[in-house]
Amino acid sequence: GNSVTQMEGPVTLSEEAFLTINCTYTATGYPSLFWYVQYPGEGLQLLLKATKADDKGSNKGFEATYRKETTSFHLEKGSVQVSDSAVYFCAPLSGGSNYKLTFGKGTLLTVNP
Amino acid sequence: DAGVIQSPRHEVTEMGQEVTLRCKPISGHNSLFWYRQTMMRGLELLIYFNNNVPIDDSGMPEDRFSAKMPNASFSTLKIQPSEPRDSAVYFCASSLGQGRGLEQYFGPGTRLTVT
Repeated sequence: GNSVTQMEGPVTLSEEAFLTINCTYTATGYPSLFWYVQYPGEGLQLLLKATKADDKGSNKGFEATYRKETTSFHLEKGSVQVSDSAVYFCAPLSGGSNYKLTFGKGTLLTVNP
Repeated sequence: DAGVIQSPRHEVTEMGQEVTLRCKPISGHNSLFWYRQTMMRGLELLIYFNNNVPIDDSGMPEDRFSAKMPNASFSTLKIQPSEPRDSAVYFCASSLGQGRGLEQYFGPGTRLTVT
């Protein structure tokens, strides 16, 4: 089955710092890749996605590039804000006849003013 | 637009009682997913439906758990009898279907506490 290895948290940064959250995966077939974000007390929401190799997903200043050769999808942001404080989940979506998301354990990010 | 709607938002019950969680997916979405989130195990897929038919229930922990989707706009997850280890946040999510790159939209979750 699929699996995700995600950078262990918690990660604590100062406002305007650079963020990287590492994610590597194993998946059957040729997965689509997603980053979801969960703000306190809320459900998950899509942050960005990439559906094929070398695609770059981006949203709200966050970026991640689909690296098929290294099976990675690292999340980056050049300058974090306090409002980015949340839990971030990496998730490949396997294909074939059974489309299921496999979530990493999540990385808690806290951004201090 | 209304997103995925879940009820109740919070449920506190005693061990041995039946619990029913409810979900209304986004209109027009053909796939529905039930997840459970705990600190120990993270986010786990319990079951998912496509066009109201259960496709994969391999994540359902045991026979005490059951899920139904009687129509395209409603699903339930039932736990009978409930146990303290069932305490978790249960999320429902829906998507347009089963396809590459299709996003899942999550509801706000139901926080279940079994005492």
